[in-house]
Amino acid sequence: DGGITQSPKYLFRKEGQNVTLSCEQNLNHDAMYWYRQDPGQGLRLIYYSQIVNDFQKGDIAEGYSVSREKKESFPLTVTSAQKNPTAFYLCASSTTVGYGYTFGSGTRLTVV
Amino acid sequence: AQKVTQAQTEISVVEKEDVTLDCVYETRDTTYYLFWYKQPPSGELVFLIRRNSFDEQNEISGRYSWNFQKSTSSFNFTITASQVVDSAVYFCALSEAGATGANSKLTFGKGITLSVRP
Repeated sequence: DGGITQSPKYLFRKEGQNVTLSCEQNLNHDAMYWYRQDPGQGLRLIYYSQIVNDFQKGDIAEGYSVSREKKESFPLTVTSAQKNPTAFYLCASSTTVGYGYTFGSGTRLTVV
Repeated sequence: AQKVTQAQTEISVVEKEDVTLDCVYETRDTTYYLFWYKQPPSGELVFLIRRNSFDEQNEISGRYSWNFQKSTSSFNFTITASQVVDSAVYFCALSEAGATGANSKLTFGKGITLSVRP
């Protein structure tokens, strides 16, 4: 079945460590997105990519980095520069604009 | 810039009551798309509906209905005869087509937490 796989579902890291969240899709979608969710804040866009080897900053890109070397993969690295990384992270992909977005099941990151 | 406002933050109703979730949006584009998503406690987003800016017809799907009014920039969602399983966070979202028609980011409202009590 086609879909988006995010791994791991739960992730714990020590403060000051970089951590990479995985996002893989087999839907042949061109665009991929990373969102962060905090209680009462809704979903805020971190980075998005409309095509391989290209990506743009979203609304809250500081402290994060991404790569898009393959169409299927869009990993997100939470760096030590991110001041409050504990959150729920959702990855999404889309094809034709406005037609629909598919979301992964999310990764809950806790930094201790 | 595009913006979605969900002024209600939490709503609590008793089972079988009807409930309406409000959504107001802002956009400069004439072509755009509106969405509603449901997020149960598991965290995954469940797609409910997509509506393009040229289609103002209201839609009904079972106990769910949507009222799209461009004149007031609103896209409200009504659940009729609510059930405990409807308890979740509901998000309204907007996507603009853009000048190039390229894939556009989704902008979300802050969500409405709906609690349906038995």
